[in-house]
Amino acid sequence: DIHLTQSPSSLSASVGDRVTITCRTSQDIKNYLAWFQQKPGKAPKSLIFGASSLQSGVPSKFSGSGSGTDFTLTINYVQAEDFATYYCQQYYIYPLTFGGGTKVEIK
Amino acid sequence: QVQLQESGPGLVKPSETLSLTCAVSGGSISQFYWNWIRQSPGRGLEWIGYVYASGSTHYNPSFESRVTILVDTSKNQFSLKLTSVTAADTAVYYCARQDHRPRDYYYYIDVWGKGTTVTVSS
Repeated sequence: DIHLTQSPSSLSASVGDRVTITCRTSQDIKNYLAWFQQKPGKAPKSLIFGASSLQSGVPSKFSGSGSGTDFTLTINYVQAEDFATYYCQQYYIYPLTFGGGTKVEIK
Repeated sequence: QVQLQESGPGLVKPSETLSLTCAVSGGSISQFYWNWIRQSPGRGLEWIGYVYASGSTHYNPSFESRVTILVDTSKNQFSLKLTSVTAADTAVYYCARQDHRPRDYYYYIDVWGKGTTVTVSS
């Protein structure tokens, strides 16, 4: 199975900050990486696929980059509604696998 | 806009079979892959398997001996059966859709159900 390592596991940020989350995969997955946002008690929400393509309706303050084994999710001008846990997930090889999550908290 | 809704018992006894259904509304079940994913504090997000509209399936080897995923296109729904459950199967179970870019072989998750909590306990 492909293993995904997210860093950091948690971070504190102030409203208006830029937040960057990293996801590293245990083998090359080209650009077949997705990002999800999850708020407490809710289902994950799809943000990005193909490493950098925004899902429909997702604001442009979210962006993704990377290919191969190293990927980044950036949130510009983080707002109160962005405080959540973020997960990366690869869909290059089955079984689909997920990172352990990064919890973004208010400073 | 397509919506997914899980349903099924919230409590299952150890050694019995967990059975869930995912109803698809607002769109056709055709031409997509339909998944079951679960989440627990100790194991994080785990992909269980998918079924295509044709009925073809692919399961996570971690579950393969215990899992069956079926599709019912006449009812626009698909289902999960997980046998011989233990406390380790206690989790929130999500159904999810996979879509793909035109001419791309690889399918990404784009829609999730709200999830249903299943507890395994006697």
